[in-house]
This record gives sequence, structure tokens and C-alpha cells, in this order.
Amino acid sequence: AQSVAQPEDQVNVAEGNPLTVKCTYSVSGNPYLFWYVQYPNRGLQFLLKYITGDNLVKGSYGFEAEFNKSQTSFHLKKPSALVSDSALYFCAVSPQNRDDKIIFGKGTRLHILP
Amino acid sequence: GAVVSQHPSWVICKSGTSVKIECRSLDFQATTMFWYRQFPKQSLMLMATSNEGSKATYEQGVEKDKFLINHASLTLSTLTVTSAHPEDSSFYICSARLGPGPYEQYFGPGTRLTVT
Repeated sequence: AQSVAQPEDQVNVAEGNPLTVKCTYSVSGNPYLFWYVQYPNRGLQFLLKYITGDNLVKGSYGFEAEFNKSQTSFHLKKPSALVSDSALYFCAVSPQNRDDKIIFGKGTRLHILP
Repeated sequence: GAVVSQHPSWVICKSGTSVKIECRSLDFQATTMFWYRQFPKQSLMLMATSNEGSKATYEQGVEKDKFLINHASLTLSTLTVTSAHPEDSSFYICSARLGPGPYEQYFGPGTRLTVT
């Protein structure tokens, strides 16, 4: 079965430190990969996506993600965390078929400590 | 661009009544819209996939007679929670995609439903 794993329910990082939110996937073929962020009582906002090409993808708010095909991972990163980055982050995968659905991970809550 | 709106943002209703939630893509046409349910501190649960002009495809375990979905146009999908009960209280989020494959989903701001 196709799935997305976010192994950490919560990640705590001190402000100014680099952050990483992990994501691995199990999908056949070469999927498209996404990261979304959700602030309290809001819908999800698109951060970035990987389609093809350079393994390092840059997105909104200074975030970037690194695609690793051999490890089937797509970890979200930021060099210097801000308190305002505290939110719920979702990794998602879109298989390369005609299915319209995107498969979401369960989410990782990021706490940036001042 | 790519803005999705939802209305209402929150609603309180009495048990046994029905509630309609609207989802609109404001600046693009969405052949496919999705409806999710999110419980506190939990991930998104896909309820159904809504295609314009055809019946919605419901995920396993979602009662199609209870959660009525209509996708009447390329910019509007509605979710009606019929005969609502307190256990239907939740955060409902819709989304829309420009297309399959590499296209991301754009999400509405969500609707908080409370059934008393």
C-alpha cells in the first residue's frame, strides 16, 4: 500500500537553530512530493514541491526540502528557525498516475522555542 | 492566485439538523475538489473526492448518505452534513487541484462545525 511516514509527532528547536522535519514515502514509480504547513484553526498552505531535477527544492518562508531517491525521503529543512515557524507540517505524495488523490502523512508539530 | 474559500468559517447547529458548507475556487477552475475532516491534533482524513458533474467518490467508512457532496460547477463544491450529531463536530477542510500529478492542492481555510 502507498503511504507517507512522518516519524516524529513533534519536533522542538531553539530559535535560530537549523530545523529538519522528516518524511519518507512508500510509493511505486517516481512520485511528486509536497510539503504543506497548517497554522492553528486554518487550512493548509502549500510550501514547496519536488517534480524533477535538482534534489534540493526551495520554497516559501525560507524553507527547503531535499529529495533522496535511494532513501525515499523528502525532509523539510530551514537553516535558521523562527518562532513564527511553529505550526503543523504535512508531507504529501502524488503518485504518477491518473489518480487525483494526494497521500498525506500524519503531520509533525514543530515548536520553535524562543 | 489559486485561492480557495469556504463558507461558513464556523457553524453551530442543533442535533438532527443539516448543515451545508460551501467550497469555492476563486481564481481558477477545479475539475476536482476534495473534502477532508480533521480531528484535534490529528492528521487529515480524506472523506471524498468530488468531480464536477459527476458523483463524488467516497473513502471507505464515510457514509455517503450522511455527507452529501455536490460539485455543481468548476468553481463550487458543497458538503451537506445531514441529520447532524455531536460526533460530527469537527474541522472540515476542502481543497482543489488544477490537475493530477505534479499539481499541488490549494486548501480552503476550513469550517469548524459544532453540533449541540
